[in-house]
Amino acid sequence: DAEITQSPRHKITETGRQVTLACHQTWNHNNMFWYRQDLGHGLRLIHYSYGVQDTNKGEVSDGYSVSRSNTEDLPLTLESAASSQTSVYFCASSEAGRWYEQYFGPGTRLTVT
Amino acid sequence: GQQLNQSPQSMFIQEGEDVSMNCTSSSIFNTWLWYKQDPGEGPVLLIALYKAGELTSNGRLTAQFGITRKDSFLNISASIPSDVGIYFCAYSGAGSYQLTFGKGTKLSVIP
Repeated sequence: DAEITQSPRHKITETGRQVTLACHQTWNHNNMFWYRQDLGHGLRLIHYSYGVQDTNKGEVSDGYSVSRSNTEDLPLTLESAASSQTSVYFCASSEAGRWYEQYFGPGTRLTVT
Repeated sequence: GQQLNQSPQSMFIQEGEDVSMNCTSSSIFNTWLWYKQDPGEGPVLLIALYKAGELTSNGRLTAQFGITRKDSFLNISASIPSDVGIYFCAYSGAGSYQLTFGKGTKLSVIP
């Protein structure tokens, strides 16, 4: 079955370290998204991509970067982790025709100490 | 920026009761969506609305796209324990594949 996976599911890192969160989808969707979820803020868009080599900044992109070298993967990198980036991160994908139906991964809980 | 208000923030209801929640915005949107997030999982799309006044059902769920295009509501009838979770409204602006989510309504169902 097609799916979207995230790894790791949980990670603890130290302030200042570079961290990369993986997202992999097997639906062959063009659109991929990264969100963070924090209490009181709901889901906020970090970065998104409409296809290979395309990346765009979302609402809360500072301190994060993404790259899209193939259709299946959109890794999220925290260049220098900060405590304010402690959060639950969700990756999502959607197809061009039903763009509004975003399929979410199970999430990665990141703690920055 | 655009203001999106989702209410209530949380609800505690008895099993079997009906539930209503809504979202209002300061801007007009073309699409309203309702997602549900079960504990420990990612959100899942429940209902998508595309036209002002549109009323759409999905089982015990009913959602409406407000006539002014600035609001939407979601009703759940005869709630059951598996309705527990966080319900999010989301909108999309014209020509965009991005979604902006409300802050969510956390629903608890007391058996």
